[in-house]
Amino acid sequence: LAKTTQPISMDSYEGQEVNITCSHNNIATNDYITWYQQFPSQGPRFIIQGYKTKVTNEVASLFIPADRKSSTLSLPRVSLSDTAVYYCLVALGGRDDKIIFGKGTRLHILP
Amino acid sequence: NAGVTQTPKFRVLKTGQSMTLLCAQDMNHEYMYWYRQDPGMGLRLIHYSVGEGTTAKGEVPDGYNVSRLKKQNFLLGLESAAPSQTSVYFCASSNSGHHSYNSPLHFGNGTRLTVT
Repeated sequence: LAKTTQPISMDSYEGQEVNITCSHNNIATNDYITWYQQFPSQGPRFIIQGYKTKVTNEVASLFIPADRKSSTLSLPRVSLSDTAVYYCLVALGGRDDKIIFGKGTRLHILP
Repeated sequence: NAGVTQTPKFRVLKTGQSMTLLCAQDMNHEYMYWYRQDPGMGLRLIHYSVGEGTTAKGEVPDGYNVSRLKKQNFLLGLESAAPSQTSVYFCASSNSGHHSYNSPLHFGNGTRLTVT
């Protein structure tokens, strides 16, 4: 089971770029890296997913180095509405159907 | 297309009472999951199902039972509620259980349960 480690909390200001790094040292060859966002009183929602290098969509970018032992979620020009908990998950590569969440990173955007 | 719908949204139980939480999805997903979330904690997996008629234990299964009689529904039961089961319960579904590419989890908006 690929365990992930990410900061418990982060603060940033509106308009800045925020980078949240997740460590996953024992990621397997066929594992994907997926990030979710959770607002208060809501279920998590999918943000972005990647396998290697860089992935970008309308919400965020995901940077994955060649060794894939870590990944960085990048949120460009954050606003107050980006205040949420962000979870990094590593796919289990078909070895198990359990999908386990960690505690996530609580991001607080300040005005 | 409603996605994942959880019923009820709120419930207060007394210790020892029983109840069933209902999760329904209209995306024809094979895999369904029940999580609980306590204040300041991440989500912890209670039980999951890889298809109609199947269930399996997650990280914290004790005190809960589940059933998946129909593909679109996943029921979570508390036979004898305890204060330690006060939590927010989230249901999720996906097309592929091992989080394959382009098969993320879709979550409901949760059921807030208080056991007094």
